[in-house]
Amino acid sequence: GAVVSQHPSWVICKSGTSVKIECRSLDFQATTMFWYRQFPKQSLMLMATSNEGSKATYEQGVEKDKFLINHASLTLSTLTVTSAHPEDSSFYICSARDPSQGDNYGYTFGSGTRLTVV
Amino acid sequence: QKEVEQNSGPLSVPEGAIASLNCTYSDRGSQSFFWYRQYSGKSPELIMFIYSNGDKEDGRFTAQLNKASQYVSLLIRDSQPSDSATYLCAVNIDDSSASKIIFGSGTRLSIRP
Repeated sequence: GAVVSQHPSWVICKSGTSVKIECRSLDFQATTMFWYRQFPKQSLMLMATSNEGSKATYEQGVEKDKFLINHASLTLSTLTVTSAHPEDSSFYICSARDPSQGDNYGYTFGSGTRLTVV
Repeated sequence: QKEVEQNSGPLSVPEGAIASLNCTYSDRGSQSFFWYRQYSGKSPELIMFIYSNGDKEDGRFTAQLNKASQYVSLLIRDSQPSDSATYLCAVNIDDSSASKIIFGSGTRLSIRP
């Protein structure tokens, strides 16, 4: 089945620094990837849709200058949290879409990245 | 704003019983519906997907869809302690950017031995 690898699984950074999270599709080409954020005891909130070779589309209320998304190849999307603050501490999860998986639209999730900003 | 609604729970069910999880959605244009299971600290894993009205069965799981009522449900038969998790209902949304899925707030299920 489709596999999505996300790295790192956890990261601690100092306030004001930037953190990059990688999402890779290992056995399929992902023309579209999605980035979600999940705060404790809350559901997954879609942050942005990343399309290979074009600009990401951000959901309402998500700062595109703070959460930089790059989808330069069909197997890699990156999310950079710039000038991180403690309120950015969250569980970030990517999802990649495998177009060959038919009706279930091939939404496969990475293992998530737990970001803690101190 | 397109929404997916779930009862947050917790829902407590005795081992061996049937657990029933419910979900409603606002976008009548949605065509595909998903149930994900999420253990604490882990990412969601797909349990079922359904896109036709009626029932779809896979082992101990049955998904039910009623597009007229905008209602999706998940039944878990012979509930096991390992089924204790948060169950997320997700719905596809098509807009100008892409087909994407949005999630409900999740229902915490607890199976008591």
